[in-house]
Amino acid sequence: GAVVSQHPSWVICKSGTSVKIECRSLDFQATTMFWYRQFPKQSLMLMATSNEGSKATYEQGVEKDKFLINHASLTLSTLTVTSAHPEDSSFYICSAASGGGAYNEQFFGPGTRLTVL
Amino acid sequence: AQSVSQHNHHVILSEAASLELGCNYSYGGTVNLFWYVQYPGQHLQLLLKYFSGDPLVKGIKGFEAEFIKSKFSFNLRKPSVQWSDTAEYFCAVTGQGGKLIFGQGTELSVKP
Repeated sequence: GAVVSQHPSWVICKSGTSVKIECRSLDFQATTMFWYRQFPKQSLMLMATSNEGSKATYEQGVEKDKFLINHASLTLSTLTVTSAHPEDSSFYICSAASGGGAYNEQFFGPGTRLTVL
Repeated sequence: AQSVSQHNHHVILSEAASLELGCNYSYGGTVNLFWYVQYPGQHLQLLLKYFSGDPLVKGIKGFEAEFIKSKFSFNLRKPSVQWSDTAEYFCAVTGQGGKLIFGQGTELSVKP
């Protein structure tokens, strides 16, 4: 089946620094990748949708200058949390879909736990 | 706005009990429906999905769900749960714009 990896699986950083999270589709080409945020005991909230070679589409309330998304190839998307603050601490999950985007099944990565001190 | 509602926040069952988790969505157009499971410390896994056809969908690990269009529902069922089914269950819908919208999640605890 389709496999999506994320790196790192967890990261601790100091307030004010930037953190990059990678999302890779290992055995298929992902025309669309999605980034979600999940708080403890809560559901996944879509942050942004990225299509290969184009700018990401951010959900309402998500700061595009703070959460930089790059989808440079059909197998890699990155999320950079810039000038991280403690309130950015969360579980970040990516998913990838091939073909027609979200109407096709999304395959989820294992998530990245970010802790900002 | 589109939304997904899961009725139960936390369900506690004994092994061999039957399970039904409710899921309702609000969207009048064509939808694709999903149930995902998240075991403790693990990533989301697809249990089953409905795109079209037979509204009774069978998934992995003995789970099934029924799409009732008139009720905007997609309830998840399993006739006999096991301790290993302890996990968080999420109902999700793709609707307008193709975005995947998740319900709040239901935590299932199965007592051995």
